[in-house]
Amino acid sequence: QEQLVESGGGVVQPGKSLRLSCVASGFTFSSYALHWVRQAPGKGLEWVAVTLYDGSNKYYADSVKGRFAISRDNSKNTLYLQMNSLRAEDTAVYYCARPITSHYYYYLDVWGEGTAVTVSS
Amino acid sequence: QSALTQPPSASGSPGQSVTISCTGTSSDVGGYNYVSWYQQHPGKAPKLMIYEVSKRPSGVPDRFSGSKSGNTASLTVSRLQVEDEADYYCSSYAGSNRYVFGRGTKVTVL
Repeated sequence: QEQLVESGGGVVQPGKSLRLSCVASGFTFSSYALHWVRQAPGKGLEWVAVTLYDGSNKYYADSVKGRFAISRDNSKNTLYLQMNSLRAEDTAVYYCARPITSHYYYYLDVWGEGTAVTVSS
Repeated sequence: QSALTQPPSASGSPGQSVTISCTGTSSDVGGYNYVSWYQQHPGKAPKLMIYEVSKRPSGVPDRFSGSKSGNTASLTVSRLQVEDEADYYCSSYAGSNRYVFGRGTKVTVL
């Protein structure tokens, strides 16, 4: 069973840092691009970042570029999101997600349950 | 990277059809055939319903169909069922390895 499980969310003060993790199981982790998508309370989905299968290429939404860093450890089947200089508007549930097949970089077919991040003083 | 435009709400009675539009620009929806649609029930993770404009993943009923014309993509849900009541989001490739979602449409089954 293909599965993604996020962790690392919590309450953090503005300007501080937090690192999210996403552990995968049930599929060949190193074959897939992986994404982070977030959803602010009561709001829509927002794409955050993607890393390609080997971690050599990473791309970000303008809203997080320069503050967030996506990375992966294929030996541990784990995806990360390092979030620095956090702002109130980064408050959201953060999902990791995987494309429908390894052929695609997008079309997110496997999602985790999400981890909640609250940025507040 | 502006969000794609969707109507906030749509509704229909069981058995009827509802169509949701998703309007972007020539830099996203109109420029690529990389449009997808997601269904999200309250408190749940999104579920992929349509990809590459009109393809259905395995297990998605054929009541769900997608299309695109110019800068606007559409999702049609035919033969509406109570369980189709959810939020629906479109998404598109936006160039330079970036992606954009729509603002979401709440579908109500009357």
